[in-house]
Amino acid sequence: AQTVTQSQPEMSVQEAETVTLSCTYDTSESDYYLFWYKQPPSRQMILVIRQEAYKQQNATENRFSVNFQKAAKSFSLKISDSQLGDAAMYFCAYRSYLLRSYNTDKLIFGTGTRLQVFP
Amino acid sequence: DTEVTQTPKHLVMGMTNKKSLKCEQHMGHRAMYWYKQKAKKPPELMFVYSYEKLSINESVPSRFSPECPNSSLLNLHLHALQPEDSALYLCASSLGGGDSDTQYFGPGTRLTVL
Repeated sequence: AQTVTQSQPEMSVQEAETVTLSCTYDTSESDYYLFWYKQPPSRQMILVIRQEAYKQQNATENRFSVNFQKAAKSFSLKISDSQLGDAAMYFCAYRSYLLRSYNTDKLIFGTGTRLQVFP
Repeated sequence: DTEVTQTPKHLVMGMTNKKSLKCEQHMGHRAMYWYKQKAKKPPELMFVYSYEKLSINESVPSRFSPECPNSSLLNLHLHALQPEDSALYLCASSLGGGDSDTQYFGPGTRLTVL
């Protein structure tokens, strides 16, 4: 079974600085997807970034980028130029490429990292 | 537009009440999901509907009853809940099949069972 581990329960960063959140996972599959979701105090889970395992190039979305190390099964999120609005719980998630049943899939979440941003 | 809406935002109910949570999306997605999230924990999958058919039930107690009347709407009927069922209930949707199948979440319903 696949597992996702986020070893940093809490992180903090000053505004305008850069912070990296860690995520490791365990799987025997060769094709899969990895996600970072952000959940601010408003509670809505917001997709931050997505990585396909078959792509060697690291995904980027504006100030957010990932460092995907497939052999090491590591998927860290880097937030550049941190802003107060980045304060949230961040969840790393794994999804199999091969669907377990017709047209459905399961997300496997890590335990989350709470990010605080200080002015 | 990647909007999933959920109503109500907050719900307080007694253990003998019957209530329903509603989720709606107009993105043409054919897979919809219910998650339960306790405080400071990741979401836990409850149900998956694919093309309006229940495809995954993660051994959820029968006091939770999902319903998918059409491809845009997902309900969760609640009956005889327990205080430990108090949580944030999240709905999500995705295209349904294919390799670009990202789940998009609604804002959730905060449920309190007295």
